[in-house]
Amino acid sequence: DQQVKQNSPSLSVQEGRISILNCDYTNSMFDYFLWYKKYPAEGPTFLISISSIKDKNEDGRFTVFLNKSAKHLSLHIVPSQPGDSAVYFCAGNSGGYQKVTFGIGTKLQVIP
Amino acid sequence: NAGVMQNPRHLVRRRGQEARLRCSPMKGHSHVYWYRQLPEEGLKFMVYLQKENIIDESGMPKERFSAEFPKEGPSILRIQQVVRGDSAAYFCASSPPKPTGNTEAFFGQGTRLTVV
Repeated sequence: DQQVKQNSPSLSVQEGRISILNCDYTNSMFDYFLWYKKYPAEGPTFLISISSIKDKNEDGRFTVFLNKSAKHLSLHIVPSQPGDSAVYFCAGNSGGYQKVTFGIGTKLQVIP
Repeated sequence: NAGVMQNPRHLVRRRGQEARLRCSPMKGHSHVYWYRQLPEEGLKFMVYLQKENIIDESGMPKERFSAEFPKEGPSILRIQQVVRGDSAAYFCASSPPKPTGNTEAFFGQGTRLTVV
């Protein structure tokens, strides 16, 4: 049962443009949603999170939007930079600690 | 301040051998999580430990896998009698005391286990 779905395995964006990464979920019990970034041969790095009671959270170039009725969230990166090229994991959390359910990831390539 | 340290980075084992993966959390962190990433899949939660306690092992396979986080020393993920299907990247993460659902967890670089 895939509780967190990232249906786009990859995305290519021109430097300076907006990157939009999408994520759908099925578990209504998630309290928080998190985005992690992962470079090859490294562990995931926390990027940004959003509470299930919010619909938007912004941190610099990164904004996460949550549409609870559609069970959909998205990560916007603007402007995109080549250093943003990585795999982005969407994740949900309902355990009160870091028992996180990850999606399969979307590989973002930002083209200079 | 050193991050989460995992060793070895790469581990090759023959079928039937034992694999021991070590994780030292960040300084001041007393909570450790283990995740497994199979090829072409996302990370899957395995176990959550505090010092000397297993809090949640709902993601651990019922057999051959065990984890511990002793009072002194690193957390150990132990896989007995490894099989080819155990080949994966194993990530450890740590968080400070009293984590919530929004507490950032810091991940190590992972141990890539290859069973031949």
